[in-house]
Amino acid sequence: DTAVSQTPKYLVTQMGNDKSIKCEQNLGHDTMYWYKQDSKKFLKIMFSYNNKELIINETVPNRFSPKSPDKAHLNLHINSLELGDSAVYFCASSKPGQGYGYTFGSGTRLTVV
Amino acid sequence: GQSLEQPSEVTAVEGAIVQINCTYQTSGFYGLSWYQQHDGGAPTFLSYNALDGLEETGRFSSFLSRSDSYGYLLLQELQMKDSASYFCAVRGLIPPNTGGFKTIFGAGTRLFVKA
Repeated sequence: DTAVSQTPKYLVTQMGNDKSIKCEQNLGHDTMYWYKQDSKKFLKIMFSYNNKELIINETVPNRFSPKSPDKAHLNLHINSLELGDSAVYFCASSKPGQGYGYTFGSGTRLTVV
Repeated sequence: GQSLEQPSEVTAVEGAIVQINCTYQTSGFYGLSWYQQHDGGAPTFLSYNALDGLEETGRFSSFLSRSDSYGYLLLQELQMKDSASYFCAVRGLIPPNTGGFKTIFGAGTRLFVKA
């Protein structure tokens, strides 16, 4: 069973389009995250939700909108895609408390052309 | 704010021991984690240190010194499959101390293991 699953794995789209990435975890974790990894492999946090409530919203353009319908799902919608949005987007989840690492999904490679 | 520094690349030979250092700056420090990421793969959790000292998990060990804002990952008996990127990540309070936490990742250290 896949612990954190993201779809799609690859996404190629034109500038100006709107796209969504879906994420689901079956680990029973309370907290979910979106991270962006650029071409230099730098992992930057974008959003964090705890039990469907937004707790971290980094300096991300408001073209990016996360949605958490329940604590097992955290989707990412991106409007008016730009070339600079090309990156790998990782969803992750974690248990509450210290000492527990993040479980990452396999990533969505977004290419904007 | 939070920031981390780690070497960009390290090269070692099979069977050797390698240490990847990480220094950090953060307000409200809670712990330091290490992750491994192979090319094209997802980061996978290796270890977490909240207190000073060495934590050992098989061939991998992680060390933390809170007073020095410093930690390292030690990999022993290196194998070719250990070639990957290694990220340190610091867990700290979300400013302005709302009671929440966030984890910030370093830029990663690319480890090359040679035969």
